[in-house]
Amino acid sequence: GQNIDQPTEMTATEGAIVQINCTYQTSGFNGLFWYQQHAGEAPTFLSYNVLDGLEEKGRFSSFLSRSKGYSYLLLKELQMKDSASYLCAVRDSNYQLIWGAGTKLIIKP
Amino acid sequence: IAGITQAPTSQILAAGRRMTLRCTQDMRHNAMYWYRQDLGLGLRLIHYSNTAGTTGKGEVPDGYSVSRANTDDFPLTLASAVPSQTSVYFCASSPASYNEQFFGPGTRLTVL
Repeated sequence: GQNIDQPTEMTATEGAIVQINCTYQTSGFNGLFWYQQHAGEAPTFLSYNVLDGLEEKGRFSSFLSRSKGYSYLLLKELQMKDSASYLCAVRDSNYQLIWGAGTKLIIKP
Repeated sequence: IAGITQAPTSQILAAGRRMTLRCTQDMRHNAMYWYRQDLGLGLRLIHYSNTAGTTGKGEVPDGYSVSRANTDDFPLTLASAVPSQTSVYFCASSPASYNEQFFGPGTRLTVL
């Protein structure tokens, strides 16, 4: 079967750094996405990795290791507005997205 | 303003009733998707359409149907609603199936 695993909830302090991990087992791999979803709102696209390595975009970075079936999202200089759920999704061999349940990130002052 | 709209925003529905959730995008995206999101579960794909005139089944298609008569609209119909269809429904679109997806604001549906 297909499976995406992420921690259910994480807590971090404003101004700090947090790493959200995602491991996956899917039928085929055609890229991995990270989305941000604030409570009661729609998911919004954050990053995309298809090759191994780190992709940096401002305060957010995403890393991929295809051989390990592993990715992480790194958030630096945390702000209160970063309190949200972070969704990991893998595009499988049918080009459909398989989604993790999301990691709820709580930022404390 | 370019984007995706969904209607209604929320709805309470009696079991057994028929309901159509509307989704319209003005970005001329070829691919469109319907997901449901339930607490503790990831987004689950109900149906998708890679281009106007074609549709496909996702992970949880039973009890739902879709049509794609044109590029902009992708309605989702529940023929006879059941309480297990209580969920938040998101419509999404992408330029093509290999691009990132853009999501509508969602419809919160409660079936009693």
